[in-house]
Amino acid sequence: SAVISQKPSRDICQRGTSLTIQCQVDSQVTMMFWYRQQPGQSLTLIATANQGSEATYESGFVIDKFPISRPNLTFSTLTVSNMSPEDSSIYLCSSGLRSYNEQFFGPGTRLTVL
Amino acid sequence: SQQGEEDPQALSIQEGENATMNCSYKTSINNLQWYRQNSGRGLVHLILIRSNEREKHSGRLRVTLDTSKKSSSLLITASRAADTASYFCAPKYSGGGADGLTFGKGTHLIIQP
Repeated sequence: SAVISQKPSRDICQRGTSLTIQCQVDSQVTMMFWYRQQPGQSLTLIATANQGSEATYESGFVIDKFPISRPNLTFSTLTVSNMSPEDSSIYLCSSGLRSYNEQFFGPGTRLTVL
Repeated sequence: SQQGEEDPQALSIQEGENATMNCSYKTSINNLQWYRQNSGRGLVHLILIRSNEREKHSGRLRVTLDTSKKSSSLLITASRAADTASYFCAPKYSGGGADGLTFGKGTHLIIQP
């Protein structure tokens, strides 16, 4: 199984600022994804991070708010831009070798926006 | 919606008892994965069961899949306090669409000492 790390593990930010979350996988993977888990809720897919091209966003999520980079097969970043208290959530990245293989998750980044 | 729906939403049992939680989904799947989440932390991958499999085991975990009923179950035997967590199923639909997973609200399992 892939080992996935995220940085930071948690942060408290002021509204209007931006935070970039890093995701590192210990092996080359085809698929990388970003999810959001709002307080008391389940996980919602934000986007698929594509290597060398723009991320594919799910309905309700836009690139201006959640820009994503994926410069290589083991690393991706998610930026939460112009934050508001409604962005307070746990943000998780996941990866998988192929679409129909296991997907493994990182430990999450707990974001609180004041 | 395309996520799996877990049932029950909450389950409280005594330590040592078995815990069973169920997942129902809508259309044909390629596989279905079960995850555990402790106290709002990251998801731990438990088991992936493919559409041509009926049962899989991993330690104290047993997962079944009934594609005719579009349902799966997760059985945890001889439960321990450390099993207290939220459990999610994630069906991977075979009709294409996003490669990411969709999640239901989960089953919140509490093991009483």
